[in-house]
Amino acid sequence: GESVGLHLPTLSVQEGDNSIINCAYSNSASDYFIWYKQESGKGPQFIIDIRSNMDKRQGQRVTVLLNKTVKHLSLQIAATQPGDSAVYFCAENIGRGTSYGKLTFGQGTILTVHP
Amino acid sequence: NAGVTQTPKFQVLKTGQSMTLQCAQDMNHEYMSWYRQDPGMGLRLIHYSVGAGITDQGEVPNGYNVSRSTTEDFPLRLLSAAPSQTSVYFCASRRGDYGYTFGSGTRLTVV
Repeated sequence: GESVGLHLPTLSVQEGDNSIINCAYSNSASDYFIWYKQESGKGPQFIIDIRSNMDKRQGQRVTVLLNKTVKHLSLQIAATQPGDSAVYFCAENIGRGTSYGKLTFGQGTILTVHP
Repeated sequence: NAGVTQTPKFQVLKTGQSMTLQCAQDMNHEYMSWYRQDPGMGLRLIHYSVGAGITDQGEVPNGYNVSRSTTEDFPLRLLSAAPSQTSVYFCASRRGDYGYTFGSGTRLTVV
């Protein structure tokens, strides 16, 4: 996707609220999607993934929704906690052929959770 | 398992110098990749490998070389450092159909 420079989208929530982070992916051929969490000074940390044959997948406090028609992903975090504050990235992958090893990242969303 | 280990954690280079960023994984993962992350941006793929002896270019390969002589190691070489290569570099590995595991990054400054 295109870079939009230094101004990442931001989401501010109160502790205990539910958070929804959205992502538009770029390639209609992508068939594997991942959400990563990145805390300051650290590498991305895997949260949850989903394949294109599913439209919803749930983990512990997190749910990923996939809408292939409009090429849209969302990450829902239930009962958001201050420790959830981070930058969240979606990533897409084409799981076949020469593109198998490639993961393309979105620009990221800054989530801030206020106590 | 140590996971994905990157060294060094920090490095300052002068323009024109060369260096190698090291990446090692002990999980017997087939796939390994190098990404760079510039301030306020997502990660961009530099090079990747689908197995020992096999590498391919990503989105921003210019100025970087890689090799994959073993499953465990995937070093990234900067041939002649430029200020535009100032960035945080992440190495990642992946097993089969699962998501990548990332290292903690190397912060590189080129002056």
